[in-house]
Amino acid sequence: QTVVTQEPSLTVSPGGTVTLTCASSTGAVTSGYYANWFQQKPGQAPRALIYSTTNKHSWTPARFSGSLLGGKAALTLSGVQPEDEADYYCLLFYGNGQLGVFGTGTKVTVL
Amino acid sequence: QITLKESGPTSVKPSQTLTLTCIFSGFSLSTSGVGVGWIRQPPGKALEWLALIYWNDDKRYSPSLKSRLTITKDTSKNQVVLTMTNMDPVDTATYYCAHYYHYDSSGYYLGGIIDYWGQGTLVTVSS
Repeated sequence: QTVVTQEPSLTVSPGGTVTLTCASSTGAVTSGYYANWFQQKPGQAPRALIYSTTNKHSWTPARFSGSLLGGKAALTLSGVQPEDEADYYCLLFYGNGQLGVFGTGTKVTVL
Repeated sequence: QITLKESGPTSVKPSQTLTLTCIFSGFSLSTSGVGVGWIRQPPGKALEWLALIYWNDDKRYSPSLKSRLTITKDTSKNQVVLTMTNMDPVDTATYYCAHYYHYDSSGYYLGGIIDYWGQGTLVTVSS
């Protein structure tokens, strides 16, 4: 069974920068995994932020960016705002985009 | 504007079959590259991919739940239905449906993209 692992929690100061990562149990994450990233606040449905590793949706704030970093997918938040405090999930696609697997999630605290 | 909304029972008993319906608007499930997926989230836990149905009626299921899941679509009604058999208390979760696509407007393949989500529906499994 494929497992996608994220940091359980990260803390960042307002205005700071934090990078979340997304690792696959099958090996290095490449662009072929078409990583998606989502933000979820308590009591709300997830909101899409990033697709195809680096692409932003029209509503994604500029301070969010996606990349590949050291064999993992990564989401970087620059100039963090208090409203960025949330859970973040990655989604990787396996089998040439046929099967999705979500990551374990990262709780970001802005303090 | 794309919207999706899940509907179904708020509670089921163990061993029963759960049937959830996703009613959507703003897109057609007959458009090439488009699909609707189902995702769930147990209280306080992570998201879990369940199933995906494509515009061409191709279907994909989570390997761990494949034997219990069936996904179907009614393109004319803009509906997608997910059934899960033999429900157990560990299946208690919020169930979401979501819009999926993998081509951009130029026909370029972008891989899997989930952009719009329904509000979710909480299903409790208890005797």
